[in-house]
Amino acid sequence: AQSVTQLGSHVSVSEGALVLLRCNYSSSVPPYLFWYVQYPNQGLQLLLKYTTGATLVKGINGFEAEFKKSETSFHLTKPSAHMSDAAEYFCAASWTSGSRLTFGEGTQLTVNP
Amino acid sequence: DTGVSQDPRHKITKRGQNVTFRCDPISEHNRLYWYRQTLGQGPEFLTYFQNEAQLEKSRLLSDRFSAERPKGSFSTLEIQRTEQGDSAMYLCASSLGGTVRNEKLFFGSGTQLSVL
Repeated sequence: AQSVTQLGSHVSVSEGALVLLRCNYSSSVPPYLFWYVQYPNQGLQLLLKYTTGATLVKGINGFEAEFKKSETSFHLTKPSAHMSDAAEYFCAASWTSGSRLTFGEGTQLTVNP
Repeated sequence: DTGVSQDPRHKITKRGQNVTFRCDPISEHNRLYWYRQTLGQGPEFLTYFQNEAQLEKSRLLSDRFSAERPKGSFSTLEIQRTEQGDSAMYLCASSLGGTVRNEKLFFGSGTQLSVL
């Protein structure tokens, strides 16, 4: 079955440290891949997405992700964490048209001062 | 841009009761999606509309669930004979459509349902 897995339901980093959130998909067919962020009491917001072309994708707020087909991964990184980055992050994939998304379980990012 | 609006924000009901949620998408967005998110999990796709046509339904959408988008604008999601397992956040999203490459979804803040 096609699925998305996020390793680590909680990640804690210090302000200014590297942020690395892991995402792997399970499928023989590479999907379109997305990262969303959810702040408390707000809707999900798209950070970035990979469809075709360049495997390193840059998104908003300084985040980027790299699609690695050989590793079936799409990890999200940010060189230097800000306090405002504290939120829940969801990796998602689409194998169909119409943006029917399959989400991972989410990773809660905490940024410590 | 007023964003995607969902009403109510919270709904508490007793098991066996019917509930209805409303979603108002961004004006002129022709696609509308419903997702369900339970605690500690990512959102799960329920169904989506292209204008007023319901194009796809997940197997998660049992016979007790029905969604409508009668005029291609707002949408309602009704759950009949609610069960405790229906307790979740129900999310609505809308978009201008297009292909996955260029489609961008805008999500509402959701309706939190608690079934007692």
